[in-house]
This record gives sequence, C-alpha cells and structure tokens, in this order.
Amino acid sequence: QVQLLESGGGLVKPGGSLRLSCTASGFTFSDYYMTWVRQAPGKGLEWVSYMSNSGTYTKYADSVKGRFTISRDNAKNSLFLHMNSLRAEDTAVYYCARSQLEREGYYYFYYMDVWGKGTTVTVSS
Amino acid sequence: SSELTQDPGVSVALGQTVRITCQGDSFRSYYGSWYQQKPGQAPVVVIYGKKYRPSGIPDRFSGSGSGNTASLTITGAQAEDEADYYCSCRASSGNVVFGGGTKLTVL
Repeated sequence: QVQLLESGGGLVKPGGSLRLSCTASGFTFSDYYMTWVRQAPGKGLEWVSYMSNSGTYTKYADSVKGRFTISRDNAKNSLFLHMNSLRAEDTAVYYCARSQLEREGYYYFYYMDVWGKGTTVTVSS
Repeated sequence: SSELTQDPGVSVALGQTVRITCQGDSFRSYYGSWYQQKPGQAPVVVIYGKKYRPSGIPDRFSGSGSGNTASLTITGAQAEDEADYYCSCRASSGNVVFGGGTKLTVL
C-alpha cells in the first residue's frame, strides 16, 4: 500500500527551529520527486519546496527561501524539511507528497499523486 | 506572472454539469493539475497533465485547457463532489504554484 506519513510537527516559538519528516512505504522512493505543501488555518494550499529523486535539484517558495531546507535519505525512504527562523505565518498543516515531472510533446507537467495526512506546525509565543 | 486565479466559489445543482476554471500564464507552457480537498482531509489529485485521470477518480471528472486557462469539468455532479478544488502548475522558474481554490457547493 502506497503511503506517506509525516511527523515532527508541534508548537515552537517565533525564531525557533523544527524538523519535519516524511516516511514513505509501498513504492520505490528513490524513483520520485518529493514535495512539501502547507496549508495555513482556513487558507488554501501553498507549495513550499520540492526535491528531485536523486536529491540534486531543489526549489523553494520565496516565502521560505533561506530559512527552510529540504533533504532526503533514499536509503531510509525519508524526506525532511528543516525549518529555521520560524514565523507566526509559518503556522500550517504541512503535507508531503509524492510527485512526478513528466513531458508530453512540448509541454511539461508536475503533479502530486500521493499525499500524506499532514503534520501541524504552530509558531506562537 | 506565475500566479493562478480561480473563482472563490461555484455552485451546481445535483446532477448538472459545472466547470471550474483557473487562469495563469504558466498554462501557455505547462499542463496543470487539479486537486480535490474535503474538510479535514489531505488533497487528492483528480486530473493531471493534458487530461489524465488517476485510477479511482470517477469519469465524470475531466480536464481541458486553452491558452492561459485550464478547466475542470464535473459532468453530473454528485453530493460527494462538494469540496474545495485547487489548480496547480509548474512555472517557468521551476517553482510550483497553486490557485487560491474554488469552493464547490452542490445544491
């Protein structure tokens, strides 16, 4: 059964740090891009970051660039999000998602086909 | 601009057809994807690429696009289709962007 399980969320003070983990099972983890997406309370989805299957290519949203670092351990089927200098606006449910980058003709497309249930991060004093 | 624009809310009568649209320059170069999210649940992809539908997604869901607009059509909407729908696309920068979401109400 294809599954993603996030962990590591919690309550942290502004300026603090947290590391989220996402453990994959049921598929060959090293074959897939992986993505972090977050959702603030009552708000829409916000893409945070993604990493290529080998770990050589990463991208970050401007809102987290320089503060968050994505990493992965393919031997342990795990994805991580290291979050530093946390702000109140980082409060959200954080989802990890299995992702695919494909091409059809001249067009590329990127999509997230398996999602975890999410882990909640609350930044508050 | 890499932004994606969606109508905040759309309603449809039970059994009727509804189209949810998403506008953005990224669609001129990339195909997008659509996600359904019900309260308290993680998103689920319903359409990706030109018009692919994952296994397990009912065939009443379909996707299309033209120019800078991507569309999700539900033909014969059911009560269980009431949810938030988000479009997404990869931008030329390599970043990924989501639309603001459309709340679908089935009357």
